[in-house]
This record gives sequence, structure tokens and C-alpha cells, in this order.
Amino acid sequence: QLQLQESGPGLVTPSETLSLTCSVYGASISTYDYYWVWIRQPPGQGLEWIGSLYYGGSTFYNPSLKSRVTISVDTSKNQVSLKVRSVTAADTAVYYCASPTTVQTHPLDYWGLGTLVTVSS
Amino acid sequence: QSVLTQPPSVSGAPGQRVTISCTGSSSNIGAGYDVHWYQQLPGTAPKVLIYVNSHRPSGVPDRFSGSKSGTSASLAITGLQAEDEADYYCQSYDSSLSGPIFGGGTKLTVL
Repeated sequence: QLQLQESGPGLVTPSETLSLTCSVYGASISTYDYYWVWIRQPPGQGLEWIGSLYYGGSTFYNPSLKSRVTISVDTSKNQVSLKVRSVTAADTAVYYCASPTTVQTHPLDYWGLGTLVTVSS
Repeated sequence: QSVLTQPPSVSGAPGQRVTISCTGSSSNIGAGYDVHWYQQLPGTAPKVLIYVNSHRPSGVPDRFSGSKSGTSASLAITGLQAEDEADYYCQSYDSSLSGPIFGGGTKLTVL
């Protein structure tokens, strides 16, 4: 059973870089050709796709965030990471790690609990 | 602004039936991509309620049903119960974005 857990600073200063990790349990990132997806939800608002990484070698980013976002994997730690550069208050949100497993059009069956990141000085 | 359009809110009395619509375009639902529905209770991550347009995961009551036609999909909930009060999101895939897309969410209030 796949389990995901997000972690990272809960407070980030404006103009700095937001860095989060998603620890994966129950599957090895390096041996499972899964998609790993980052989604965020601003307080009181809806869900927004940030980007997806396919360990087979591709990353896909929401065009609205593409210039500021990087998603990567650390196979030694079995983690997926998210970096959002030059953050503003608009980046304040609960950030979720999720996975549809092997097919990008499948439902997002697995979600982490989410982690709230506040951008404030 | 979300790629998929949902009504912001719906409401109904216990025992009644409500529907939530989800409208997309030719690059997502209209292109044949499946629609999935999620239920999000306050303070929790979304949970799959309906997958591949009309299928229920084990454990989801048959009071919940989904359908898809053309560029739209809908979620129906019959026999409303107080515990159904939650936010509901539709989700599909968009070929122009190469990623999943969501509706703006619909808040269900059980009167």
C-alpha cells in the first residue's frame, strides 16, 4: 500500500524558495514507473495542479507556474521534492503530494496528508 | 480560474437528490479523457469518490453515481445524509497542459 508524506518548512519568506519533500513508503521510486504529482490548495480555495514527474524520465509543469517550479527525485531517500522560487503571498497553500500510479490519466488514488506553507515576512 | 467548471455550491434536505455538474472542453473531457470525482472533508486530503466516469471504489455507498457525456460530467447523490456535507471536485486530464485538471469545487450543504 502506497503511502505519501509531505514535509518542509511551514513558513517561507517572500522572494525566497519554498522547498518540500514527499517521502514515499510502500514502493521504490526507482523501480516503480509511477507518476508523482504535486498539487496545492490555497486556504478556502480549490485544487491546483503544480506539476508531475514520471520516473521514466519526464516532468510536466502547470504553465502558470513553470518558470518558478522544479520537481525532482532523490532515489537514495525515496523522496520526491518540490521547489518553488520567488514565492509571494499567493503561494500560501496546503501542498499535497499525490500519485495516480502508472498512468497519468488515472485517478489520484494516493495522497499525502498535505502540509501548510505560509509565505510571510 | 479552473479549467473545469463546477457550481460553487449546492444544497438539499436529508433524503433528497442533488447533482453537481462539471463542464470541460475539447482538450480534456471532450477529448475522451475520463472524469474522476473526489470528496474532501474539512482539514483532510481529497478522496476518490468516483473514478473513470462512473465507477465507485469499494466502500463508497451506491448513493453516489457519476456519468459523462460530451464535454461534461455529473455527480449525483441520492438519499442525502448529513455526513455527505463536504466539498466535491471533478478531475480530468488536459492534453494541452499534459497534466491533471480540477474543477473549482462544489460545497454541498445538507439543510
